[in-house]
Amino acid sequence: GENVEQHPSTLSVQEGDSAVIKCTYSDSASNYFPWYKQELGKRPQLIIDIRSNVGEKKDQRIAVTLNKTAKHFSLHITETQPEDSAVYFCAASIETSYDKVIFGPGTSLSVIP
Amino acid sequence: NAGVTQTPKFQVLKTGQSMTLQCAQDMNHEYMSWYRQDPGMGLRLIHYSVGAGITDQGEVPNGYNVSRSTTEDFPLRLLSAAPSQTSVYFCASRGFRGGRNEQFFGPGTRLTVL
Repeated sequence: GENVEQHPSTLSVQEGDSAVIKCTYSDSASNYFPWYKQELGKRPQLIIDIRSNVGEKKDQRIAVTLNKTAKHFSLHITETQPEDSAVYFCAASIETSYDKVIFGPGTSLSVIP
Repeated sequence: NAGVTQTPKFQVLKTGQSMTLQCAQDMNHEYMSWYRQDPGMGLRLIHYSVGAGITDQGEVPNGYNVSRSTTEDFPLRLLSAAPSQTSVYFCASRGFRGGRNEQFFGPGTRLTVL
């Protein structure tokens, strides 16, 4: 089955700097890669996703890149703000309605004002 | 729409007790799932369902049972609780919104097994 690894497990950056979180997946059939943000005490929420037919996707200060050959994808947050502090999870699945979504172990991001 | 709801929010059990965590969604999603969240281990899939009457195992199914008699409800049963099942449990349903294949999570149930 699918296995998703994520690094680093913790990340501290100064406000305004960039943050990068990297994930790898094992199942070459996976073609859908969402990223979730979980603030303290709250439920995870989708922030951005990418499908295997594109290499990069951007939404304001966040972007995701995908390297299908190497089976890894990354989340990039630019101009970080204190409200970006949260746990971020990457995930992988085969995008049909009937495939399970497997998550990485998470990255705890702290943005220092 | 209420989205995904879970009850209870908190629960304390003694070892060996049984209980059912309730989950309901009002978005008419076929796909529903249960995850447990433990520190440093992310969200691990317990069981999932692709529609009423159909369920399958995830990554960590042992000690848990599920059934799906309706599209709306997907309860998770602990048959004989163990301290290793102390965790936060999230139910989720999945469907397309705005071009995204989005998984919507419930608010979670914090379970402690003594």
